[in-house]
Amino acid sequence: DGGITQSPKYLFRKEGQNVTLSCEQNLNHDAMYWYRQDPGQGLRLIYYSQIVNDFQKGDIAEGYSVSREKKESFPLTVTSAQKNPTAFYLCASRGDRGATDTQYFGPGTRLTVL
Amino acid sequence: AQSVTQLGSHVSVSEGALVLLRCNYSSSVPPYLFWYVQYPNQGLQLLLKYTSAATLVKGINGFEAEFKKSETSFHLTKPSAHMSDAAEYFCAVSERNNDMRFGAGTRLTVKP
Repeated sequence: DGGITQSPKYLFRKEGQNVTLSCEQNLNHDAMYWYRQDPGQGLRLIYYSQIVNDFQKGDIAEGYSVSREKKESFPLTVTSAQKNPTAFYLCASRGDRGATDTQYFGPGTRLTVL
Repeated sequence: AQSVTQLGSHVSVSEGALVLLRCNYSSSVPPYLFWYVQYPNQGLQLLLKYTSAATLVKGINGFEAEFKKSETSFHLTKPSAHMSDAAEYFCAVSERNNDMRFGAGTRLTVKP
């Protein structure tokens, strides 16, 4: 089946630790995105990538880092510099028809800082 | 800059009643508009989208939305609510290749 997978589904982290969230897609999409979701705030864009080896900051990139070494993969690292990392993280991808194309979402990773 | 506003963070309806979830957009160019649904602890699933074809768009699960340029609105409706419709709904606008903006979401509760 084609789709987007995210792992793990639940992640717990101690303060001061970096953690990496996985996102893999087999839709052959060029563009991939990371969003953060907090209650009552909708989705906020962290980073996006239009093509392999290239990515851009979104609205709330501070404390996060990404890489795009393969078309299928777009991992997100939540660093210790992120002041309030507890949230639900969603990965998405989009085909090459630009603004009219649908973003497809993974099932999400819930990160909790202990 | 493009943006969307969803009126009402929480809407409650009785089973069988009309569902109306409101979305207004702001865009400097003709927008592309989307409605997504999210069930608890899951990702977002596309319900429907408007891409400048017919102004009345039909989606999955009996939902539809009408694009009204004069009112800058794209409200989501369903004639008869079902218990399985209880979820959070997001309106989104896109006007450039890599910039989709989401509303804050509306949580729909369906009472038996």
